Amino acid sequence: QSVLTQPPSVSAAPGQKVTISCSGSSSNIGNNDVSWYQQFPGTAPKLLIHDKNKRPSGIPDRFSASKSGTSATLGITGLQTGDEADYYCGTWDNSLGVWVFGGGTKVTVL
Amino acid sequence: EVQLVESGGGLVRPGRSLRLSCSVSGFTFDDYAMHWVRQAPGKGLEWVSGLSWNGGGIAYADSVKGRFTISRDNAKNSLYLQMNSLRPEDTAFYYCVKDMRLTCAYDSEFDYWGQGTLVTVSS
Repeated sequence: QSVLTQPPSVSAAPGQKVTISCSGSSSNIGNNDVSWYQQFPGTAPKLLIHDKNKRPSGIPDRFSASKSGTSATLGITGLQTGDEADYYCGTWDNSLGVWVFGGGTKVTVL
Repeated sequence: EVQLVESGGGLVRPGRSLRLSCSVSGFTFDDYAMHWVRQAPGKGLEWVSGLSWNGGGIAYADSVKGRFTISRDNAKNSLYLQMNSLRPEDTAFYYCVKDMRLTCAYDSEFDYWGQGTLVTVSS
């Protein structure tokens, strides 16, 4: 059972928007920034969002993130077939003194 | 170009030891914290351990505490993970991961990942 809770899967048609939630507590999301990672099958994860809502070079602005209280959200607009991947949220947990990941969400483009 | 290359994975019997290495290039190694993250086949990501730029600020996941030891050699641009008393549940791809910050702490975020090395613990 992950410290951070994500839905196992989300789906939408091409061009539509999906949101992925990441629910935690005051010891993690409530007091620390959340970063997001994208992973395609058989490859290493890649940084998608950091520093609240900053995108590394090469990541399109269709990807955005927000946080409210103890929950964070990743949004993908203009969904493309190339966005089909697993997405993970992560942050530091002050009580545990460790980094924690969500369980991951598989995005499917219908 | 930033590169992180893991080595040392393989098949090992339960209870035995294995040492993973990660050789890095393309950035100033001793300016950043480093981490190990693992992923069991078909499962999600699990953070294993991290340490700050100077080898301090070490933290471990409860699942490996007391069995695994993380270390680094800044002169050799290398990160290590000594894994003792291995268990079948340690079977996973192990990724070497670069932090965006100097210290392994509340503001850690991971900007570069190696391709991973597979550790299989089985009799």
